[in-house]
Parts: sequence; C-alpha cells; structure tokens
Amino acid sequence: SQQGEEDPQALSIQEGENATMNCSYKTSINNLQWYRQNSGRGLVHLILIRSNEREKHSGRLRVTLDTSKKSSSLLITASRAADTASYFCATANTGGFKTIFGAGTRLFVKA
Amino acid sequence: GAVVSQHPSRVICKSGTSVKIECRSLDFQATTMFWYRQFPKQSLMLMATSNEGSKATYEQGVEKDKFLINHASLTLSTLTVTSAHPEDSSFYICSARDGTGPLNNSPLHFGNGTRLTVT
Repeated sequence: SQQGEEDPQALSIQEGENATMNCSYKTSINNLQWYRQNSGRGLVHLILIRSNEREKHSGRLRVTLDTSKKSSSLLITASRAADTASYFCATANTGGFKTIFGAGTRLFVKA
Repeated sequence: GAVVSQHPSRVICKSGTSVKIECRSLDFQATTMFWYRQFPKQSLMLMATSNEGSKATYEQGVEKDKFLINHASLTLSTLTVTSAHPEDSSFYICSARDGTGPLNNSPLHFGNGTRLTVT
C-alpha cells in the first residue's frame, strides 16, 4: 500500500518562483526521502532526511520533517524550467527495509 | 557511482509470450533489489523484493507465478513477466541500495525503467 500522500497533485509556476510540495505519511519512519522523476525515466534521489532531523538543505532544495505531524515538505527555490518533473516522497519504515512511495506532485515550471 | 542499468528500455510483445527484464548494479553490489510497477501519472507500486541467492518476497496481490524474479548474483536481478496480457502493460522499474552503507539510511538507486506494451 502507498503510505505517503502528497499535495498538491500538480503545480504550475513561473520560472524564478519557489515551489513547495508537501507529503504526509501514516506510520513510524526511519527516514523520509524525496525523489525526482522525469517523464518516462527512472527516479533520481534528491535528499534523505532522518527521523531525528528537522531540516535539511541541498543546493536549491530545502526539506523539512515534522514527525509529530507525520509530514514533510520539499521547497525548490528559484525554480527553473529544467525542474519540470514529478516529485515523490518515500518513506522507509522503522525496519528500514522497504521504501514506499507517495502519490507524487507533478511540477511544471514555465519559462 | 551507484549506477543501476535496466534493459530493455522498451519492449512490445504479443499476448501469451514472456518477457524478461534485467536490472544490473554496475559499480556496487546489491544483495537486495526492488521491483516497482508504475501506471501512467501514478506512483510506484512495490511489487517484490529480490534477494540474492534466495526467493523473492512478493507484496500482497502480486502473483509470484506471473512475475518471476531471479537474483542469481550480487549485481543482477531479472523480472520475467510470464504469459503476458495487455493488462500487464506498464512501466517497470528496478532499484537497489548500495550495500556498503547502512541499509536503513541509504537511498535507492533506480534503473531507467522498462516500458512494456503487450498487444
């Protein structure tokens, strides 16, 4: 079963704007990961945040994690047309073995 | 590093035939690989966990006789869709973790997927 739910399902913004995507999950987790998928391709890992971390940065990406609310957000700052893709959150349970993906957010950045 | 190669990228087959998809970890050893299925504009559904040298673990609702998984070496897992039917048409993606790090805090590395069309 898919544990993560993401919103919005789709997001369309202008180049240069920030994009925020949210993810909620249901069970206890060991970590939460964000991935990017270009159309018809495999997924690329963006960032992993552990359950004892609250915020993490990587370049133009900022991820937050609130375990009390079982939610995470991905912020892409100063978006570019090349950021157009689907973004998925994924959780590894406390056993840490299986990774389950959320429904994803389709981001479209207009040049 | 941590490259996963999957092929074929696309395959069209006739109903009733079998199709084999290969997933290789090119620069790391993967004792475990994961097979996902993705329908258009939807998320990834975990089908099974492929374990080197032992039987795969299938998710609920996935037919093990329909989707045969073999993980004969530390760098290769194969998924065979047997007696394929049009409803098996989908995007299949494999992934693996680099086993050198802590497995429970390592990201997945994905192949580029296989688009299967059954006519």
